[in-house]
Amino acid sequence: DGGITQSPKYLFRKEGQNVTLSCEQNLNHDAMYWYRQDPGQGLRLIYYSQIVNDFQKGDIAEGYSVSREKKESFPLTVTSAQKNPTAFYLCASRFEITYNEQFFGPGTRLTVL
Amino acid sequence: AQKVTQAQTEISVVEKEDVTLDCVYETRDTTYYLFWYKQPPSGELVFLIRRNSFDEQNEISGRYSWNFQKSTSSFNFTITASQVVDSAVYFCALSGTYKYIFGTGTRLKVLA
Repeated sequence: DGGITQSPKYLFRKEGQNVTLSCEQNLNHDAMYWYRQDPGQGLRLIYYSQIVNDFQKGDIAEGYSVSREKKESFPLTVTSAQKNPTAFYLCASRFEITYNEQFFGPGTRLTVL
Repeated sequence: AQKVTQAQTEISVVEKEDVTLDCVYETRDTTYYLFWYKQPPSGELVFLIRRNSFDEQNEISGRYSWNFQKSTSSFNFTITASQVVDSAVYFCALSGTYKYIFGTGTRLKVLA
């Protein structure tokens, strides 16, 4: 089955630790995205990537880093510099950079203790 | 600047009632797309519909219908004869060239 997988579903970390969230897609999509969702809020764009080995900052990139070494994978690292990392993180992808709908993964809920 | 406004934070209806979710957008682009997504309690966003800026035809899919009006910059979503399974958060989104702009979502509660 084609789709987007995110792991783990729930993640707990101590304050000050870096943590990496996984996102894999087998839809052969070119573009991939990371969003952050806080309770009662919409989705805010962290990073996006149009092609392999290229990515751009979104609206709230500070304290996060990404890599795009393979078309299928777009991992997100939440660093200790992110002041308030507890949130729900969603990964998405789409075929072309312009106008097509995005498909979303199931999300990772990160809690920093 | 681009913006999507969903003024209704939360709506509660009784099963079988009709309900309309409002979406108002701002953009200076002449070509753009609008989307609706459903986020059930599981968290994953599910794509519902895409509409381009040149197509103002209303769309109907089963109990769902969408009304796109460029004159008022609105793209409203109506659920007819709501069901408990419709309970979710619904997001409206606007696509620019590279990025989506999401509204803050409307939480719909359908009571049995």
